[in-house]
Amino acid sequence: KAGVTQTPRYLIKTRGQQVTLSCSPISGHRSVSWYQQTPGQGLQFLFEYFSETQRNKGNFPGRFSGRQFSNSRSEMNVSTLELGDSALYLCASSLAGLNQPQHFGDGTRLSIL
Amino acid sequence: AQKITQTQPGMFVQEKEAVTLDCTYDTSDPSYGLFWYKQPSSGEMIFLIYQGSYDQQNATEGRYSLNFQKARKSANLVISASQLGDSAMYFCAMREGGNNAGNMLTFGGGTRLMVKP
Repeated sequence: KAGVTQTPRYLIKTRGQQVTLSCSPISGHRSVSWYQQTPGQGLQFLFEYFSETQRNKGNFPGRFSGRQFSNSRSEMNVSTLELGDSALYLCASSLAGLNQPQHFGDGTRLSIL
Repeated sequence: AQKITQTQPGMFVQEKEAVTLDCTYDTSDPSYGLFWYKQPSSGEMIFLIYQGSYDQQNATEGRYSLNFQKARKSANLVISASQLGDSAMYFCAMREGGNNAGNMLTFGGGTRLMVKP
């Protein structure tokens, strides 16, 4: 069974640009969550999508947005990039249920110059 | 207040010995789940073990076991017979709410484990 796939693996952008990251979940998983990981703030929850609807949202500015398609694939978009957006962005998918673990992709490492 | 606290930023353990990584949590929700993840230097997050708030027994998965003390709100990860490949960052995470509450995980700051040969 294929794992969670994130593309691209690495991305370099400049301030003010926008970026779109993609995530393909494990087959059968309808929940997709996004996290930002930085050395200073650690792992922080961005948002979760379930059946094409945003179900939870973390404490991030509106520049961070996402969506989920009918095949459960998800994208996240960051507009007007800032230096502080440099981070590892992790996508995770899971089955429904409190005891179901989230399975993570390898992440997209975004660097802002 | 921090919801998940991992008080050991870094730890060393001798190969083949056991090691305990500490995790305390804070929640008022009676229904929650606790997860441990391993993150090697390559970056991927690997799920290790799960403990539910209503589980009567401590979870075990191979060399991993969870020392769950509900009254103390602690969920320490025990790794037995450490291997060199266990060197990595370890994160404790919590999900609150029942089955329909969504999948938001709150993570601790992590513990970097280094296994010495």
